Amino acid sequence: EAGVVQSPRYKIIEKKQPVAFWCNPISGHNTLYWYRQNLGQGPELLIRYENEEAVDDSQLPKDRFSAERLKGVDSTLKIQPAELGDSAVYLCASSSDDRGTGSYEQYFGPGTRLTVT
Amino acid sequence: GENVEQHPSTLSVQEGDSAVIKCTYSDSASNYFPWYKQELGKRPQLIIDIRSNVGEKKDQRIAVTLNKTAKHFSLHITETQPEDSAVYFCAASLNSGYALNFGKGTSLLVTP
Repeated sequence: EAGVVQSPRYKIIEKKQPVAFWCNPISGHNTLYWYRQNLGQGPELLIRYENEEAVDDSQLPKDRFSAERLKGVDSTLKIQPAELGDSAVYLCASSSDDRGTGSYEQYFGPGTRLTVT
Repeated sequence: GENVEQHPSTLSVQEGDSAVIKCTYSDSASNYFPWYKQELGKRPQLIIDIRSNVGEKKDQRIAVTLNKTAKHFSLHITETQPEDSAVYFCAASLNSGYALNFGKGTSLLVTP
């Protein structure tokens, strides 16, 4: 099966510019996550979706970040305006709510490396 | 919220030796503990996980142990190989479908 797909893989923008990231999760996965990974750190959750509903966005800086997951499949994460401190790798992950198989695994995409200059 | 601490931050071993990475967590409600391997510039990939109703799990050269009372869990890699060199992250989560709270990572270097 195809893995989690993200685009673009790399993005360089000037501060105060907008930027958007796109994620296509594994087919059938109802839960989608956006994490941010700063250099030398572990990923940190920004937002979690169950189908179309954002069920955990407590760590999302809502003044400049927004996200959507229309139709409960693909998702976009937007930053407007970007700041220097937003430079990081933005990772999308997905998982299935399949307690029948006991599968807990979150599958990560390759990430988008954002550089804000 | 959950706080996961991971030690050591760097670990260098000779090929064939064992490597041990330790993590502690703060939220006693956490019941899922995965370990991810991340090679430079690549995505994190699950290598092994354990749930709170299990004390130990093994998969070939990799094993994880969990002590719920002490709130710590460890990754053990035996007979290390150069291709084991990567950054390893532990994480804790309440349950399936919840966010993973990651440690800061351990950079493992296996020298031939």
